[in-house]
Amino acid sequence: DADVTQTPRNRITKTGKRIMLECSQTKGHDRMYWYRQDPGLGLRLIYYSFDVKDINKGEISDGYSVSRQAQAKFSLSLESAIPNQTALYFCATSQGNNQPQHFGDGTRLSIL
Amino acid sequence: QKEVEQNSGPLSVPEGAIASLNCTYSDRGSQSFFWYRQYSGKSPELIMSIYSNGDKEDGRFTAQLNKASQYVSLLIRDSQPSDSATYLCAVNPSGATNKLIFGTGTLLAVQP
Repeated sequence: DADVTQTPRNRITKTGKRIMLECSQTKGHDRMYWYRQDPGLGLRLIYYSFDVKDINKGEISDGYSVSRQAQAKFSLSLESAIPNQTALYFCATSQGNNQPQHFGDGTRLSIL
Repeated sequence: QKEVEQNSGPLSVPEGAIASLNCTYSDRGSQSFFWYRQYSGKSPELIMSIYSNGDKEDGRFTAQLNKASQYVSLLIRDSQPSDSATYLCAVNPSGATNKLIFGTGTLLAVQP
């Protein structure tokens, strides 16, 4: 089983819909992250959380919200999806300072 | 704006050759450095971490760090077609406590 699990793996939806992407981890890491990846733009940080009571905006948080329901769970919501939010979304985890991040398999999201 | 720069490529090398991938970063106080491999449509996979000046070897991979020149590189010896992927450089800048900055990646193509 994957250490960092994202659901769903693929999602096609319509403009204006509310969407939730979920991430759970069995690594026991305290830090969790949400990124989006677009061709030519690389990975861009949306939100991150260093523990259950800590939520921080990344560089592109507008139009997104998150919830850290437990140490192992971090969900990303698009309240009213728009086509330019079509992208590949990744959840990642890490533990401690200066340590690498470990990525889930990603969610391919298409908004029509 | 803290930045990480990579040549987007593609970098084309023949099978069995050494592939050299380069990355520069803007924050002189950066503390930790990572190389990820990403196959098309898949998630980034950690292949190397380096924290101090010099070389670090792991199998066919060698990471090189020069903090004075703000430069980190990845060498892949005996390149194989299966090494064909995008390689992402990630840097943990000063004060960021694990909020990595990613380059946009270099596409490596190993020709059989």
